[in-house]
Amino acid sequence: NAGVMQNPRHLVRRRGQEARLRCSPMKGHSHVYWYRQLPEEGLKFMVYLQKENIIDESGMPKERFSAEFPKEGPSILRIQQVVRGDSAAYFCASSPSRGQGFNTEAFFGQGTRLTVV
Amino acid sequence: GENVEQHPSTLSVQEGDSAVIKCTYSDSASNYFPWYKQELGKRPQLIIDIRSNVGEKKDQRIAVTLNKTAKHFSLHITETQPEDSAVYFCAASRAGGGSNYKLTFGKGTLLTVNP
Repeated sequence: NAGVMQNPRHLVRRRGQEARLRCSPMKGHSHVYWYRQLPEEGLKFMVYLQKENIIDESGMPKERFSAEFPKEGPSILRIQQVVRGDSAAYFCASSPSRGQGFNTEAFFGQGTRLTVV
Repeated sequence: GENVEQHPSTLSVQEGDSAVIKCTYSDSASNYFPWYKQELGKRPQLIIDIRSNVGEKKDQRIAVTLNKTAKHFSLHITETQPEDSAVYFCAASRAGGGSNYKLTFGKGTLLTVNP
């Protein structure tokens, strides 16, 4: 089991460009979460997706940010017209499908470190 | 929404001593409380978790306690070793019935274990 795979590991963008971050969940996992970690801060929830559905996007900035998790392929976090304040580590986590009951462990990827210059 | 406070922000101990990190949460509906360890430049890794139907859980040198009434939970590391040095995050979430499982994290504790 390859674990949660994120790419790229490091991404440098100039102000105004677009950033696309990819996340492939663990095999058998259909729940994906994106978190942002600013320098020396905790992780902040951004969005929770299942295949082809956005379940909770309460942590997403209202503009420039979008996320998808298509039927085929990885989940994508897209940031348009990046600004310096977008520089952060973006982590993806996945967990198995659950109908009822408690959480199971969320497994994190290695993260994508975005630097906006 | 949920709010998680974590203390202390930094903790320095001598090798072999114990370390305790404390967190409080605000949402009484939260019922799942994981702890993550993050080494510099690496992913957060789950080290232990506790659900609201138990008060204490232990795994070798690591233990977690939960006080639902007071809405606080703590991480205890005994016989600390230099390789325990990292940032530790507590988190809280609701779970069950297919509802969302987003984690609300504390701001982290930088633990340094001095040889």
